[in-house]
Amino acid sequence: DAGVIQSPRHEVTEMGQEVTLRCKPISGHDYLFWYRQTMMRGLELLIYFNNNVPIDDSGMPEDRFSAKMPNASFSTLKIQPSEPRDSAVYFCASSWDSIYGYTFGSGTRLTVV
Amino acid sequence: RKEVEQDPGPFNVPEGATVAFNCTYSNSASQSFFWYRQDCRKEPKLLMSVYSSGNEDGRFTAQLNRASQYISLLIRDSKLSDSATYLCVVILSGNTGKLIFGQGTTLQVKP
Repeated sequence: DAGVIQSPRHEVTEMGQEVTLRCKPISGHDYLFWYRQTMMRGLELLIYFNNNVPIDDSGMPEDRFSAKMPNASFSTLKIQPSEPRDSAVYFCASSWDSIYGYTFGSGTRLTVV
Repeated sequence: RKEVEQDPGPFNVPEGATVAFNCTYSNSASQSFFWYRQDCRKEPKLLMSVYSSGNEDGRFTAQLNRASQYISLLIRDSKLSDSATYLCVVILSGNTGKLIFGQGTTLQVKP
C-alpha cells in the first residue's frame, strides 16, 4: 500500500491566487481528514469526511477555504483567494475507524507570498 | 485555555537518560488518548495509545490519570533516534474522528 498520497509536496504562490491541494487516501479507509500545521497554532483539524460526506467543517477558517471529496479515492482542499497567513503545512489523513488507524500523508508545504 | 497543553521544551538529554513528558487536557469528557511522534518536516505518526491502566511498549510507558486530567509518556534509555516532537492527542467522547493535538514537546537526545 502506498499510504496516503498528497500533492504537490511544495507550493509557492502569490497572494490572491487559487491553490488546490490534493489527497488520495488509503484504499478502504472510510474517513478522510484535512489538518493544517503552523508554528503558532500547531495541528488544527479543518474538515473531515466519512464515506465521502463532510461531517465536521467547523475548523475551516473562512469562506476562502473549501473541500470536496467526489469519490472514495480523492479529495481536494481549495483556497481562493490565497493570503500570506495561509502559509502552513497541510496534512491529509485517512482512517478505517473514526479513532484508530489514522495514517497521515507527507503534507503539502504551502507558501503564499 | 487550550484543550490540550504540553510543555514545548525543548528537553535536551544525554543518551541513556530517562525522560518524562506530561500533557493536560481540559475536557473531562475526553475518552481516547494517544501519543504521536513527529520528526522534523515529516508527518505525525502514532507512537502508542494510552489506556487507563497504563501501558508499556518497550522503552516507552504511557500513563493516564483521569482524575487529574493528565497523560504522561516516559522514555527509558533514550536513543539518539528518539529525538523528535511528541504530540499528545485526545478525542472527546461522542466526537467521532476529531483528534485534538497538543502543541508538542520537543526532545533532543545528545551523544
